[in-house]
Amino acid sequence: GAVVSQHPSWVICKSGTSVKIECRSLDFQATTMFWYRQFPKQSLMLMATSNEGSKATYEQGVEKDKFLINHASLTLSTLTVTSAHPEDSSFYICSARQPVEANVLTFGAGSRLTVL
Amino acid sequence: GEDVEQSLFLSVREGDSSVINCTYTDSSSTYLYWYKQEPGAGLQLLTYIFSNMDMKQDQRLTVLLNKKDKHLSLRIADTQTGDSAIYFCAESIGSNYQLIWGAGTKLIIKP
Repeated sequence: GAVVSQHPSWVICKSGTSVKIECRSLDFQATTMFWYRQFPKQSLMLMATSNEGSKATYEQGVEKDKFLINHASLTLSTLTVTSAHPEDSSFYICSARQPVEANVLTFGAGSRLTVL
Repeated sequence: GEDVEQSLFLSVREGDSSVINCTYTDSSSTYLYWYKQEPGAGLQLLTYIFSNMDMKQDQRLTVLLNKKDKHLSLRIADTQTGDSAIYFCAESIGSNYQLIWGAGTKLIIKP
């Protein structure tokens, strides 16, 4: 089946630095990918929709300049957390629609970001 | 607006059946989903049901949909320790399958 790979699975960085998280569709092309943030009390928040070859669509309240999304190819979307602060520490998960069943999302394994 | 609600926790004894409930508000939903998230991992699709169905069974899993009450449930028969996880309910609306998520139910298995 469709597989989404996410890297790194965990990262620790100093406050003020930038961190890039990659999301790859391994055996299919994904024109659209989705970035979620999961808070400690487990709820999922859709941050943005990543569109191949065009600008990402951000959800209300998500800072575009803080969370830079690039979808330069049909198999890769990246999320860069710029000038990270401790409050950005979270679990970030990407997903993509399955090529055959478009109503189903396949998720990456997630990336745990800790900002010191 | 659209909303999906589910209890945050459910505790069951190993070997018993677990029933996780979910309610939603948008009657135009096309599909309803159950995803499972194990600790430190991404989400895994367990099953989904088309909105014009009322039941779907897959091995130990049974999904029941009551459209009139906008209520979805997931029953896990013979619950095992490996079933410990967070279970997310979601509905898709619109032609682009926009997903509305519940907050997740953490299933705790007691020995």
